[in-house]
Amino acid sequence: NAGVTQTPKFQVLKTGQSMTLQCAQDMNHEYMSWYRQDPGMGLRLIHYSVGAGITDQGEVPNGYNVSRSTTEDFPLRLLSAAPSQTSVYFCASGSGGGVIYNEQFFGPGTRLTVL
Amino acid sequence: SQQGEEDPQALSIQEGENATMNCSYKTSINNLQWYRQNSGRGLVHLILIRSNEREKHSGRLRVTLDTSKKSSSLLITASRAADTASYFCATDAIHSGYALNFGKGTSLLVTP
Repeated sequence: NAGVTQTPKFQVLKTGQSMTLQCAQDMNHEYMSWYRQDPGMGLRLIHYSVGAGITDQGEVPNGYNVSRSTTEDFPLRLLSAAPSQTSVYFCASGSGGGVIYNEQFFGPGTRLTVL
Repeated sequence: SQQGEEDPQALSIQEGENATMNCSYKTSINNLQWYRQNSGRGLVHLILIRSNEREKHSGRLRVTLDTSKKSSSLLITASRAADTASYFCATDAIHSGYALNFGKGTSLLVTP
């Protein structure tokens, strides 16, 4: 199994540009989520999904969109990039969700810089 | 946010010593998990303790959970330089919807 994969690993955008961060998992997990990690802030939840067709907002959803058309994929879209979105983005997946969360598996991260 | 709060923010010890990190949270939970993050890498799951458990062991790791105090501790015994990393607790709160929330982490440095 490849686990959780994320692409790209690095990205530089200009303010106002849009892009999609890709996330895929091959473990048939129901629950998938996106976090951003900033220095001294820990991980903050952006959006999450408890299954195909079901998504919800986390702590910091503004400026980001998600969709979950398949169990495997959970892309994160930046609609109009801003310097405040410079961060490291992690995708995670795990079994459970909705009531009980089990071990979460994290991707390697995408380091995004917005100029 | 239902974030946990780790304490201390940073910890520096020598190889062979024990390292203890604490996590406090705000509301009732189903589970509490601990993760490790090496510099520049993704998080790796260490251990999960359910709300009806009080203590759990995994190798050199010992986790305790006190739901009455809304706190947990992670003990790493006989630390090694390879244990140098950031450690995060994560909670899924019972009444805050379908979200797993992380604290800000404890940065552990183990020197030879």
